[in-house]
Amino acid sequence: GAGVSQSPRYKVAKRGQDVALRCDPISGHVSLFWYQQALGQGPEFLTYFQNEAQLDKSGLPSDRFFAERPEGSVSTLKIQRTQQEDSAVYLCASMGDGGTEAFFGQGTRLTVV
Amino acid sequence: DAKTTQPNSMESNEEEPVHLPCNHSTISGTDYIHWYRQLPSQGPEYVIHGLTSNVNNRMASLAIAEDRKSSTLILHRATLRDAAVYYCILRSVVTSGTYKYIFGTGTRLKVLA
Repeated sequence: GAGVSQSPRYKVAKRGQDVALRCDPISGHVSLFWYQQALGQGPEFLTYFQNEAQLDKSGLPSDRFFAERPEGSVSTLKIQRTQQEDSAVYLCASMGDGGTEAFFGQGTRLTVV
Repeated sequence: DAKTTQPNSMESNEEEPVHLPCNHSTISGTDYIHWYRQLPSQGPEYVIHGLTSNVNNRMASLAIAEDRKSSTLILHRATLRDAAVYYCILRSVVTSGTYKYIFGTGTRLKVLA
């Protein structure tokens, strides 16, 4: 597709379950960002990749959150032992080399019950 | 991280201009000012960006104060499709080539028919 694709669009997890959220960035885009957006709030930065290198993970809220981008394209955000406070929309964005515009996916809405 | 301050909500009549203000008093010399908007159930989409000079594109205009401590997004003729949350963001360079977009809570724009 032409845009950033995220899957699944919706995920319901039981508390304590592990989840994996996938992001397919625009082909050739070097930069990839993950954001967490709670209801009624702006997106909060989680982590940033440049190709396969995770250059900034300062926003990951705990060691239960892990992100990877092993081949510099598709990225996966993994949340272990989910808790209710993890319920949010998780947004992925990509940007081309030297680009100034970040392209966001539609997000994955995670609900932990 | 430099932060932005925006009004929580604004209203505009259709076909009239809208001026959305943003304060960023702690902006640093290398921070670019970006505006994104988020329609319901969508990821944010790029609107416009600038550094020091005013900018125009097909979607909007960006007016930046001389001291860069504030900026205004101008929609010249609001339509119902412009109803969204508008985010004023500082794109900070963390290290060479590493960016971080810091979102605030945004302004929810309501357009009245």
